[in-house]
Amino acid sequence: DAMVIQNPRYQVTQFGKPVTLSCSQTLNHNVMYWYQQKSSQAPKLLFHYYDKDFNNEADTPDNFQSRRPNTSFCFLDIRSPGLGDAAMYLCATSTVFRSGANVLTFGAGSRLTVL
Amino acid sequence: SQQGEEDPQALSIQEGENATMNCSYKTSINNLQWYRQNSGRGLVHLILIRSNEREKHSGRLRVTLDTSKKSSSLLITASRAADTASYFCATDLNTGNQFYFGTGTSLTVIP
Repeated sequence: DAMVIQNPRYQVTQFGKPVTLSCSQTLNHNVMYWYQQKSSQAPKLLFHYYDKDFNNEADTPDNFQSRRPNTSFCFLDIRSPGLGDAAMYLCATSTVFRSGANVLTFGAGSRLTVL
Repeated sequence: SQQGEEDPQALSIQEGENATMNCSYKTSINNLQWYRQNSGRGLVHLILIRSNEREKHSGRLRVTLDTSKKSSSLLITASRAADTASYFCATDLNTGNQFYFGTGTSLTVIP
């Protein structure tokens, strides 16, 4: 089945130790997103790629970086994780709905714990 | 939140009852969407309503949109225990590619 796959599902890192989360999709969607979701909060958009064009949200810390080497893969790099970066990280892709609007297809998420 | 607020934050109902949750947003939109999230999982798209529509139905879901008040509501009729989840509204502003989520409503349906 076509889908969005995130790895790893659970990641434990130490304070300040870089971590990379990956997302792959078989949907051939041209837009890919990274969201951060802390416990009992709304998903917060960090950035998105429209094809190779990177779009950063104004309030996304510099500590968060992203790479999209090809259509299928997108990575989230956290250069120096702090305790406040512990969260679920959600990857999503978008396509044009039959009525012409985009909808999001999400992966299952990667839960990051920072010790 | 980046774009919207939802209320109530939490809702607990008996199976068979209807559940209504509300979403308010801040800026002009192309469309508004509702998503469902089971605990510890990703979000799943439920329904989309365009800015020029006032009401939309899909199975047991009914969505309304009032652009003058910048608000939307999601009604789930004849609720089931399997409807227990968090529900989020999302708006795409006018750019079409940036989606911002409301604060969410946690729904518990008691069998």
